[in-house]
Amino acid sequence: SQKIEQNSEALNIQEGKTATLTCNYTNYSPAYLQWYRQDPGRGPVFLLLIRENEKEKRKERLKVTFDTTLKQSLFHITASQPADSATYLCALSGGGADGLTFGKGTHLIIQP
Amino acid sequence: KAGVTQTPRYLIKTRGQQVTLSCSPISGHRSVSWYQQTPGQGLQFLFEYFSETQRNKGNFPGRFSGRQFSNSRSEMNVSTLELGDSALYLCASSLEPGRREPQHFGDGTRLSIL
Repeated sequence: SQKIEQNSEALNIQEGKTATLTCNYTNYSPAYLQWYRQDPGRGPVFLLLIRENEKEKRKERLKVTFDTTLKQSLFHITASQPADSATYLCALSGGGADGLTFGKGTHLIIQP
Repeated sequence: KAGVTQTPRYLIKTRGQQVTLSCSPISGHRSVSWYQQTPGQGLQFLFEYFSETQRNKGNFPGRFSGRQFSNSRSEMNVSTLELGDSALYLCASSLEPGRREPQHFGDGTRLSIL
């Protein structure tokens, strides 16, 4: 069955450093991969979308890579700030009408 | 532009009852999807509606149903509630169906079953 794995342990990063989150998947050939941020008690907020034929996407301090050979996406936050502390979710989909499949998320803590 | 609005924010029900949750999408968005979020299973896809038609359904029992109205507003219904239905129910909207577009989520309805 399709499986998406994100670090279940909380990730503690010192302010100013680069935070790198991992999303691995198996039994899946996604056409699109998305990253979302979720704060406690709130719905997820869309951050970035990357297509299977794109290797890298950037938006301000955020960068996403997508390696379909390794079946892995890396999500980077450079110059991290305490306000970046949240749970980050990756989500995959095929190109058709199927729904988004989400990972369980990684809880990121940026310490001052 | 107003975001996705879900009502109510919190709901307490008992086993065996039924519940209806409401979602108003972003103006102009015609696709609405529903998700269930629990600590153990994470975010799981329930179903998607577009032009008042269910386009896609996740792996949930028939007790979970939904509908979409001509103004794109959507409701989901859960009948014969079970303790395991306690969760955060999230609604997301997008301009078009399919997964090439970002999903815009509401803040959810927290459903507790006693």
